[in-house]
Amino acid sequence: GQQLNQSPQSMFIQEGEDVSMNCTSSSIFNTWLWYKQDPGEGPVLLIALYKAGELTSNGRLTAQFGITRKDSFLNISASIPSDVGIYFCAGPEAAGNKLTFGGGTRVLVKP
Amino acid sequence: GAVVSQHPSRVICKSGTSVKIECRSLDFQATTMFWYRQFPKQSLMLMATSNEGSKATYEQGVEKDKFLINHASLTLSTLTVTSAHPEDSSFYICSAKQDGGETQYFGPGTRLLVL
Repeated sequence: GQQLNQSPQSMFIQEGEDVSMNCTSSSIFNTWLWYKQDPGEGPVLLIALYKAGELTSNGRLTAQFGITRKDSFLNISASIPSDVGIYFCAGPEAAGNKLTFGGGTRVLVKP
Repeated sequence: GAVVSQHPSRVICKSGTSVKIECRSLDFQATTMFWYRQFPKQSLMLMATSNEGSKATYEQGVEKDKFLINHASLTLSTLTVTSAHPEDSSFYICSAKQDGGETQYFGPGTRLLVL
């Protein structure tokens, strides 16, 4: 099946920093979704991307759908403590309704 | 909009008992819902796709007789973990897909602990 490789696996952030994470695939996706999961909660949709090359913002979050349809990045600007959590990229499989998820990027606050 | 609820949020049960988890789409119709399981520090693993009015489609390795799914209406799917054992302890999350769309909206999850 299709696979999404997400990096980094984890990162430490300091308040005010900009952070970036990305997701790559060996196959083409027609839709790219970014979710955030807080501890003990279900994932919450942050940004949905539907067109190759699309750049979309949601507050301090910006995501882009790669022109090749095989990658996407998510940027968080001026991070704040509540940005901690796990960020997942996901895309619907070519056949059917199922979503393929990346392994997640765990964002933690620098002590 | 696009709110999905789950009940209960957490449950503790004895080994051998059955547990039912409900997933509801509150403000939209969902012909298709999904059930995931998530172990600590891991990504979501799809267990099955729940289709309103028809049988669920299970992923490879998921026992359909152990994880019973019923999707009786366009806003409700239930997952019953039958004869639960400690290894079934996990975080179970459902999602619902709006009819005509591709985006899945997730419930808040149900933490199951089997003693």
